[in-house]
Amino acid sequence: NAGVTQTPKFQVLKTGQSMTLQCAQDMNHEYMSWYRQDPGMGLRLIHYSVGAGITDQGEVPNGYNVSRSTTEDFPLRLLSAAPSQTSVYFCASSYEGTGPYEQYFGPGTRLTVT
Amino acid sequence: AQSVTQPDIHITVSEGASLELRCNYSYGATPYLFWYVQSPGQGLQLLLKYFSGDTLVQGIKGFEAEFKRSQSSFNLRKPSVHWSDAAEYFCAVGEGGYSTLTFGKGTMLLVSP
Repeated sequence: NAGVTQTPKFQVLKTGQSMTLQCAQDMNHEYMSWYRQDPGMGLRLIHYSVGAGITDQGEVPNGYNVSRSTTEDFPLRLLSAAPSQTSVYFCASSYEGTGPYEQYFGPGTRLTVT
Repeated sequence: AQSVTQPDIHITVSEGASLELRCNYSYGATPYLFWYVQSPGQGLQLLLKYFSGDTLVQGIKGFEAEFKRSQSSFNLRKPSVHWSDAAEYFCAVGEGGYSTLTFGKGTMLLVSP
C-alpha cells in the first residue's frame, strides 16, 4: 500500500489564482481530513469527510472547498489564493478498525502564495 | 469545544538526560489521546496513543505517556534523550464522533551535547 499520497509537494501561487491539492489513499479508509500547519499554531482542521459524498467544515474552512466523490480521493480546492493561505497542508485518513481518531498522514504540500 | 494545551514552546535537554513534555486537554468525555513527532521538513509520525485501559502507554523510540484523568494531562516521557530526538512534538485529542483531531501548538525539543 502507498498509504496517503499528496500532490504536489511544493507549489507557488500568485494571489487570486486557484488550484487543487490532491489527496488519495489506498487503504479503503472511510474518514479523510485536511489540516493546515502554521508556525506556532499546530495543525488546524480545514475540512473533513466521513464517507463518499459527505463533507463538513472544520476550524478554518474559509477560502477552501472540498468534495468526496470516491472513497479514495479527497481534493482540497483553493478558490482564490491569498497570502494568508501560505502554509503546509496535510491530508489524513482514518478508519474504525483501530479507533477512528488515529490519523494516517500524507507527506504534506508546502504552498506559498505571493 | 475541546482544546489541547502544550505549555512549553521550546525545551532544551542534554543528551542522555530524561525528558517530560507536558500536555493538558479540555474534554468532557473519555478522550482519545495521541502524541505525534515531526522532524524538520517531514510529515507527522505517531509516537503513541491512548484509548482506554492501562493509563501508562508505551510507544515507539522508547517514549511513554501517562494519562491522568484527575489532572487532564497526558505527558510524554523518555528516560534518556538521544540527539536524534530533536524535533517538534504535538499532543492531540480525538474529537467526538467525527474522526478528526484537535492539536496542541507543539513543543520544539532541542538536544544539547
